[in-house]
Amino acid sequence: DAKTTQPTSMDCAEGRAANLPCNHSTISGNEYVYWYRQIHSQGPQYIIHGLKNNETNEMASLIITEDRKSSTLILPHATLRDTAVYYCIVRVLTGAGSYQLTFGKGTKLSVIP
Amino acid sequence: SAVISQKPSRDICQRGTSLTIQCQVDSQVTMMFWYRQQPGQSLTLIATANQGSEATYESGFVIDKFPISRPNLTFSTLTVSNMSPEDSSIYLCSVVKNRGTRRNTEAFFGQGTRLTVV
Repeated sequence: DAKTTQPTSMDCAEGRAANLPCNHSTISGNEYVYWYRQIHSQGPQYIIHGLKNNETNEMASLIITEDRKSSTLILPHATLRDTAVYYCIVRVLTGAGSYQLTFGKGTKLSVIP
Repeated sequence: SAVISQKPSRDICQRGTSLTIQCQVDSQVTMMFWYRQQPGQSLTLIATANQGSEATYESGFVIDKFPISRPNLTFSTLTVSNMSPEDSSIYLCSVVKNRGTRRNTEAFFGQGTRLTVV
């Protein structure tokens, strides 16, 4: 899996949008961008993933740059329960080696009242 | 989705002893994974538990230290053998399943087992 670079930590005011950046400049054409988060004392939880188009689901939006070298996870209205470590991971979608996840250090997001 | 139950959720163990962690999934899955998360660190893959064959270990992890069983498609165990304080970590079980109608896979995680070795 390609390596990713994320800021170590970020703060966000409750109710505001949280924008979490990720750099993945060595991403390959067949690798997707995945986001997981880990709330304290829990296992990681899937948030969203995408290849090259922007994606949105009930949890978040994912904006991927045209050159695919970076992306931004957007939590539109952050709540205190969104306080967690957010991991950006790039991985191939199918085939051998597609199942293991390589976790970086992630971004610790603190949502402040 | 997949519901994963891990037991125990936490334990405090004496050095030199062994602990077996159980992972139960609510549906059949082909691949199960065991991860370790050391204090303040990210997750590191220990091994892939294959049903009907030996587990596949990542670099730095060996079968003698972390024996794994995979007796069927819904269950796996990880044993942490001859424990030392350096083994104090959270151990997580993970499975991969297809997501909806899209031809892709997704990883689901258990709540983890918090192990403290004294």
